[in-house]
Amino acid sequence: AQSVTQLGSHVSVSEGALVLLRCNYSSSVPPYLFWYVQYPNQGLQLLLKYTTGATLVKGINGFEAEFKKSETSFHLTKPSAHMSDAAEYFCAVSDPRAGTALIFGKGTTLSVSS
Amino acid sequence: NAGVTQTPKFRVLKTGQSMTLLCAQDMNHEYMYWYRQDPGMGLRLIHYSVGEGTTAKGEVPDGYNVSRLKKQNFLLGLESAAPSQTSVYFCASATGFVKTQYFGPGTRLLVL
Repeated sequence: AQSVTQLGSHVSVSEGALVLLRCNYSSSVPPYLFWYVQYPNQGLQLLLKYTTGATLVKGINGFEAEFKKSETSFHLTKPSAHMSDAAEYFCAVSDPRAGTALIFGKGTTLSVSS
Repeated sequence: NAGVTQTPKFRVLKTGQSMTLLCAQDMNHEYMYWYRQDPGMGLRLIHYSVGEGTTAKGEVPDGYNVSRLKKQNFLLGLESAAPSQTSVYFCASATGFVKTQYFGPGTRLLVL
């Protein structure tokens, strides 16, 4: 069965610092992996996704993630945090048994201080 | 092109009342989903549909029913609302081989 674990419910960084949000997954089939961002009182917006091929995936707003099969990880990074990056971030894996619905981690809230 | 829209945006119900949440998409997507979001729980799948006229249960279906009579609409019904159904409800639609999902803005429901 598929599952997602996000390490750290809250991450705080200074503006300009590296952002690292951790995600580990469990999947019985080759996974499709996603990162979504949610700003306060809004819906979820797709940041990036991994399907097949290149393991380093680039997304919007300068974010990228690397799929590491041996570590069952899909960590999200950004070299330099902006104040506008403050939001909640969700890692998700696609479940082929349920119409490819997403199984989400519990989320990580990113705070950025000046 | 409005994408995925949800109606209403906010609703307060009393225990035992019923209501229907409407999700509409104008992207001609085959797949549609209903999730609920609760603090510290992430999003959990309630029901989903892989095409017009089809529905299936997700992880947390109890107390909810759904219908997909038209391809562009996916309705979520609460027959007898309970305080445990206080949540934010998100609809999503998907297409393509990978079924990338696009989310609506959410409906906040408070059951007293």
